Amino acid sequence: QKEVEQNSGPLSVPEGAIASLNCTYSDRGSQSFFWYRQYSGKSPELIMFIYSNGDKEDGRFTAQLNKASQYVSLLIRDSQPSDSATYLCAVNVRSQGNLIFGKGTKLSVKP
Amino acid sequence: GAGVSQSPRYKVAKRGQDVALRCDPISGHVSLFWYQQALGQGPEFLTYFQNEAQLDKSGLPSDRFFAERPEGSVSTLKIQRTQQEDSAVYLCASSPTVNTEAFFGQGTRLTVV
Repeated sequence: QKEVEQNSGPLSVPEGAIASLNCTYSDRGSQSFFWYRQYSGKSPELIMFIYSNGDKEDGRFTAQLNKASQYVSLLIRDSQPSDSATYLCAVNVRSQGNLIFGKGTKLSVKP
Repeated sequence: GAGVSQSPRYKVAKRGQDVALRCDPISGHVSLFWYQQALGQGPEFLTYFQNEAQLDKSGLPSDRFFAERPEGSVSTLKIQRTQQEDSAVYLCASSPTVNTEAFFGQGTRLTVV
C-alpha cells in the first residue's frame, strides 16, 4: 500500500462551487501535512500546511486534518478556472523531514 | 530573496552519458531534497540533506545515482551511464528547518535518447 493515497481524478466542478480534495496516509507517525498545486509543466507550489487536528483556513482554501482517521483534505471555495491544476498531498513520515507525495488529483474548474 | 534555482532547465543525454544536475537552494535553508517526477505521477523521493549531511538516500533507484552537498548549500545530483528510464523531471526543494514546508525549484527535465 502506497503511503499517501489520492484519487487521481479528474475532478470536475463548475466555477463558483466548492472543490473537495481528499488524501489518506498510512503512517500514524506522520507529523506534518502539505498541499501543493502543480500546473502542467510547472513545479509544485505550496498552498497550505497543517500540523494539528481540525481545520485551517487561508483565503479560499481550508485544510482539514483528522489524525485518527489518517485523513487530510483541501477545500477550495468559490472555485475559479485558474484553480485548474493537479493538487498534490504530501506527508512528513519521519522526524527527519522527508516528504512523501501522493500521485495528485487533477482538478478542472469549468467556466 | 531568490527562490530555489535549478540548472540546466532541460538536458538531453545520450544513453550511457553521465549528467550532473545542480540545485541552488534558498539562502539559509537547512534541508534540501531531490525528487524525481515521471509524467502523470507525484514526485518520488530520492534523497535528503540536512546541511551537508546526507541523512536519507533510500530513494535513489540505483548506484548510478549520486548526490552531494559538500558545503551545505548548493547540491549536485549526478547520474552515471544514463538509461532511458532515467528520463523524468528532477525536482529540488529546500526548507528552512526540519519538518517545515518545502519550496521547489523549476526542475530539470532530463531526456535520455
